[in-house]
Amino acid sequence: GAGVSQSPRYKVAKRGQDVALRCDPISGHVSLFWYQQALGQGPEFLTYFQNEAQLDKSGLPSDRFFAERPEGSVSTLKIQRTQQEDSAVYLCASSLDRGQEQYFGPGTRLTVT
Amino acid sequence: GENVEQHPSTLSVQEGDSAVIKCTYSDSASNYFPWYKQELGKGPQLIIDIRSNVGEKKDQRIAVTLNKTAKHFSLHITETQPEDSAVYFCAAKLEGFKTIFGAGTRLFVKA
Repeated sequence: GAGVSQSPRYKVAKRGQDVALRCDPISGHVSLFWYQQALGQGPEFLTYFQNEAQLDKSGLPSDRFFAERPEGSVSTLKIQRTQQEDSAVYLCASSLDRGQEQYFGPGTRLTVT
Repeated sequence: GENVEQHPSTLSVQEGDSAVIKCTYSDSASNYFPWYKQELGKGPQLIIDIRSNVGEKKDQRIAVTLNKTAKHFSLHITETQPEDSAVYFCAAKLEGFKTIFGAGTRLFVKA
């Protein structure tokens, strides 16, 4: 079956631009996670949704980062006024429920110039 | 907060040899320890996991051991093959939502 998909796969933004990254989780998966992965590092937790409810956003680095999942399926991570330090791969993962295995998408590589 | 340290950062082995990657975690409340394999341009993929009530788990050529007292856990890959070449991440998860990842080990298997 289809896995987690993310779009776009690559995004180049000029500093100061806003970007929106999309995640399509596996159908029926209740839990959805966003991670940020800097070059040569492990993924770092950003935020978590249980259905449409954002239950933990403690990993969002600043108020320029915003995530939503309005219908409990597709999620969007938005970054306003991008800065160079936002350059990273943004990974989305979904799981059947909170304690279950997380399935990762391929990520969106964001480069801020 | 939870911190996960992973060693070595790079590991090179000959095909057929074993590879061992070690991790330590800081929060004794962590109760779930997954290992992920990440290939270039792809997201991490779960390869094996272990829960805190188990000391060892094996799946074909891959095994994981957990020492809760010492807060150590390790990944063992036997009879390595070139297709095992990738970046491997350990992780620790507390009750709740956050999974904390190590910095990764780049494994090279030379044919």
